[in-house]
Amino acid sequence: GAVVSQHPSRVICKSGTSVKIECRSLDFQATTMFWYRQFPKQSLMLMATSNEGSKATYEQGVEKDKFLINHASLTLSTLTVTSAHPEDSSFYICSARAETNTGELFFGEGSRLTVL
Amino acid sequence: SQQGEEDPQALSIQEGENATMNCSYKTSINNLQWYRQNSGRGLVHLILIRSNEREKHSGRLRVTLDTSKKSSSLLITASRAADTASYFCATTQGAQKLVFGQGTRLTINP
Repeated sequence: GAVVSQHPSRVICKSGTSVKIECRSLDFQATTMFWYRQFPKQSLMLMATSNEGSKATYEQGVEKDKFLINHASLTLSTLTVTSAHPEDSSFYICSARAETNTGELFFGEGSRLTVL
Repeated sequence: SQQGEEDPQALSIQEGENATMNCSYKTSINNLQWYRQNSGRGLVHLILIRSNEREKHSGRLRVTLDTSKKSSSLLITASRAADTASYFCATTQGAQKLVFGQGTRLTINP
């Protein structure tokens, strides 16, 4: 089946630094990718929709200058958490939509960010 | 915004028993999907049911959809310890967005 790879799986950084998370579709092209954030024992909250070659669409309440999304190719989207603070510590998950009849979403394994 | 509400939030049963989880949603949908998430991992797609379908089976999974009540249920029969995970329903809004419910944490006791 289709595979989505996220990197890094875990990252620890100091407050004030920026962290980049990559999401790659390994065996299919994805014009659309999605970024979710998940706090412990909670559901996934959609942050933004990443569109190849155009600006991302952010959900209400998500700061676009804080969470920079770049979707420069059909197989790669990146999420950069800028000037990270402890409250940004979370589990970030990306997903990519396969260009099939069902448009099934495939999820990466997630990236756990801890900001000290 | 998250629109799916699931119940129960947590469910603990003995191995071999059946587990039923429910999901309700608020707006019109194109389809409804169920996903599984092991602790600290990504999501695995389990099953998709379209808005014009009422029931669907996949192995030990049975999903029902009642669009008049805006609700769905996931039944796992003959549960196994390996079924321990969180289960989320998700609805497709508009053309693309997948919105998740709050999830049910299922624990299967050996």
